[in-house]
Amino acid sequence: AQTVTQSQPEMSVQEAETVTLSCTYDTSESDYYLFWYKQPPSRQMILVIRQEAYKQQNATENRFSVNFQKAAKSFSLKISDSQLGDAAMYFCAYRSSGGADGLTFGKGTHLIIQP
Amino acid sequence: GAVVSQHPSWVICKSGTSVKIECRSLDFQATTMFWYRQFPKQSLMLMATSNEGSKATYEQGVEKDKFLINHASLTLSTLTVTSAHPEDSSFYICSSSPASYEQYFGPGTRLTVT
Repeated sequence: AQTVTQSQPEMSVQEAETVTLSCTYDTSESDYYLFWYKQPPSRQMILVIRQEAYKQQNATENRFSVNFQKAAKSFSLKISDSQLGDAAMYFCAYRSSGGADGLTFGKGTHLIIQP
Repeated sequence: GAVVSQHPSWVICKSGTSVKIECRSLDFQATTMFWYRQFPKQSLMLMATSNEGSKATYEQGVEKDKFLINHASLTLSTLTVTSAHPEDSSFYICSSSPASYEQYFGPGTRLTVT
């Protein structure tokens, strides 16, 4: 079974600064997908960024980028120019590439933005 | 983007009664939907995979007789919590995917059992 570990229960960053959220995972599969989801107080899950394991290039979405290290099974999220609206719970998630599998989530990191 | 809805958004029921939660894909057909459970200040845990026209697949430790799942059409899956108890109080979220690996989540249903 796959596991996802987020070792930072809470992170705090000053507005406009950069913050990196850590995620490691364990799998025996070679092909899979990794995601970062944001969950604001409304509790609606919002996809931030995704990465296909077969792609070596790190995914980027505007101010959000990932550092995907497949050999190390590491998938960190970097948020640049942090904004107040970025404050939320962030979950790292894993999905197998084959079949119709659900997501395995990490425990989450609570991101606080200091004005 | 694809839209998934859930109804109701919040339900309160008495212990021993059953409650049904609906999950609908509004603009795509979904042969597979997923049900997650989230306790306060915790992560999402996959409960079951709902397959259109066939039986649901439950994760280890999830009581299939307590959490009945029906996927009656390509746009609707329902989760029925039977004989609810206070420990069933939680936030239930469904998700689905139109075709790709990306999943779209419903807004969730808060269940409170008194």
